[in-house]
Amino acid sequence: SQELEQSPQSLIVQEGKNLTINCTSSKTLYGLYWYKQKYGEGLIFLMMLQKGGEEKSHEKITAKLDEKKQQSSLHITASQPSHAGIYLCGADQDSSYKLIFGSGTRLLVRP
Amino acid sequence: NAGVTQTPKFQVLKTGQSMTLQCAQDMNHNSMYWYRQDPGMGLRLIYYSASEGTTDKGEVPNGYNVSRLNKREFSLRLESAAPSQTSVYFCASSAGTLGQPQHFGDGTRLSIL
Repeated sequence: SQELEQSPQSLIVQEGKNLTINCTSSKTLYGLYWYKQKYGEGLIFLMMLQKGGEEKSHEKITAKLDEKKQQSSLHITASQPSHAGIYLCGADQDSSYKLIFGSGTRLLVRP
Repeated sequence: NAGVTQTPKFQVLKTGQSMTLQCAQDMNHNSMYWYRQDPGMGLRLIYYSASEGTTDKGEVPNGYNVSRLNKREFSLRLESAAPSQTSVYFCASSAGTLGQPQHFGDGTRLSIL
């Protein structure tokens, strides 16, 4: 969706390296959801952000929502092959609980 | 530990055939959704049901119909399949309140020849 831009489209990193994926909305967000999708499988919920400036972490993955609530970043520290997959951001842009999704970032981590 | 269950997992149809994709959730969620995922386009919402008894169009509803059979089940029907409907279809459910994530099924891979 043009209302939600995700970058980069793909990323190849060496195991152990850090990486960041960005998600930018054309509208103020009521909620921003990060999902991971393994190839050929469904989406797994990672984290949800609602408040401006909010930051959440789970294991080696940290997600942030900027103060204006229009951009989020997902940061992976010391990447591992198990982090490989497609990362998608989903945004609630009108408080309707419906989500608009970005086109996804394909991550490959080389051992 | 089922969550959201979709059937079938794979299907091949001929142009003009009809079929129904089934979705059931066991989390007592109020809201259910149908998406399609095409290469490079992320997920696009086809239809959703905010609560039992209601359904609404999403971003790409043309060529599809839905039925919220009860609180657990939400089906997607293709009346006359077209090659442009070749895609991976995902069903999702959520509590339907602000801040609650959607939970997804494993998807149905549909090819229309």
